Amino acid sequence: EDKVVQSPLSLVVHEGDTVTLNCSYEVTNFRSLLWYKQEKKAPTFLFMLTSSGIEKKSGRLSSILDKKELFSILNITATQTGDSAIYLCAVSGGSNYKLTFGKGTLLTVNP
Amino acid sequence: GAVVSQHPSRVICKSGTSVKIECRSLDFQATTMFWYRQFPKKSLMLMATSNEGSKATYEQGVEKDKFLINHASLTLSTLTVTSAHPEDSSFYICSARPDSEQYFGPGTRLTVT
Repeated sequence: EDKVVQSPLSLVVHEGDTVTLNCSYEVTNFRSLLWYKQEKKAPTFLFMLTSSGIEKKSGRLSSILDKKELFSILNITATQTGDSAIYLCAVSGGSNYKLTFGKGTLLTVNP
Repeated sequence: GAVVSQHPSRVICKSGTSVKIECRSLDFQATTMFWYRQFPKKSLMLMATSNEGSKATYEQGVEKDKFLINHASLTLSTLTVTSAHPEDSSFYICSARPDSEQYFGPGTRLTVT
């Protein structure tokens, strides 16, 4: 059975701090790892990672994948209150690209 | 990016009634769509994979007679919650993929009273 484990489950920081969110996985026929941000509604896409060691960046967010050790990290630098959300890691595997989600990390950024 | 819509965004129904939720891919065709359920403060749980022109594939523990899925066209999948009960109250989200990336609909919040 495919499994995705995220840590920490929740995190409270102050504006300006840097955070690192972790995601480890076990999946059959790995295709990609995806990070999503979820506020009040459905998740919004952040990154898709398929290759090890290649950092993806978008503004203050960046992510990298290690396919040998089966994990990924999501970094957020200079956090802002608008970064407060649940960050979901999902792994796509199998012939139909089925996604298996982790439980998410609830990030709270205080002013 | 690709757009997926859901309707309705919010529905309140009485216990014992059935509710239909629609998921549409607006600018691409999707032979496969996915239905997820999310309880408060929990992660998304895949319920079933909807396949155009054939039967849906349900995840373990999901009752196929209770959650009816119809994928009648390349742009529309429907999820019908039959004989809904309060414990079916949840956030239902669909997704579809035009390529290797999945796009989520905005979700439907179902409240069963």
